Amino acid sequence: NAGVMQNPRHLVRRRGQEARLRCSPMKGHSHVYWYRQLPEEGLKFMVYLQKENIIDESGMPKERFSAEFPKEGPSILRIQQVVRGDSAAYFCASSSRGDSYEQYFGPGTRLTVT
Amino acid sequence: GNSVTQMEGPVTLSEEAFLTINCTYTATGYPSLFWYVQYPGEGLQLLLKATKADDKGSNKGFEATYRKETTSFHLEKGSVQVSDSAVYFCALRGSNTGTASKLTFGTGTRLQVTL
Repeated sequence: NAGVMQNPRHLVRRRGQEARLRCSPMKGHSHVYWYRQLPEEGLKFMVYLQKENIIDESGMPKERFSAEFPKEGPSILRIQQVVRGDSAAYFCASSSRGDSYEQYFGPGTRLTVT
Repeated sequence: GNSVTQMEGPVTLSEEAFLTINCTYTATGYPSLFWYVQYPGEGLQLLLKATKADDKGSNKGFEATYRKETTSFHLEKGSVQVSDSAVYFCALRGSNTGTASKLTFGTGTRLQVTL
């Protein structure tokens, strides 16, 4: 049973480009969470999605960031016009249900903006 | 809002030494508490959890007890190994509507175990 998959594992973008990060949840999981880990810091919640719905985006920056979890395919975190401050590790987690159910984390995508 | 404070690292110990990593939290209601471990270049793995006061979570020789009176969830291990070298994160999940889905993390404590 494959775990949470994220790709790419490493992504390098120049300032102003777009970054697309993908997350495939564990089989049978329909809840996805995105977290960001800045260098030497803990993880910060960004957004919580169910299939075709954004449930909680209270941690998402107001501009340039968006997320989706379509009916078919992986969840996508999209960062437009990246800046150096976007350099971080982005982790996806999934659960079979929301609230009190355990979240399983993927290996992360390390984004470097040059 | 919810918050987690854990001791700063790095913590450097000799193999077989006793480990304590302190974690305290601020939250309303009755949060669930977690310890995650992150090995170099990898994602987070759940190490242990406790969902109510006085619960003790344990796994792989690690233990932590949910202390509501001191709002703490300190991680302990009686005898660390070199393979325990990693970053340890304390986290909570709130019990109120709107906080029950997301995890709030501490800043992490790096543990280095030497021979």
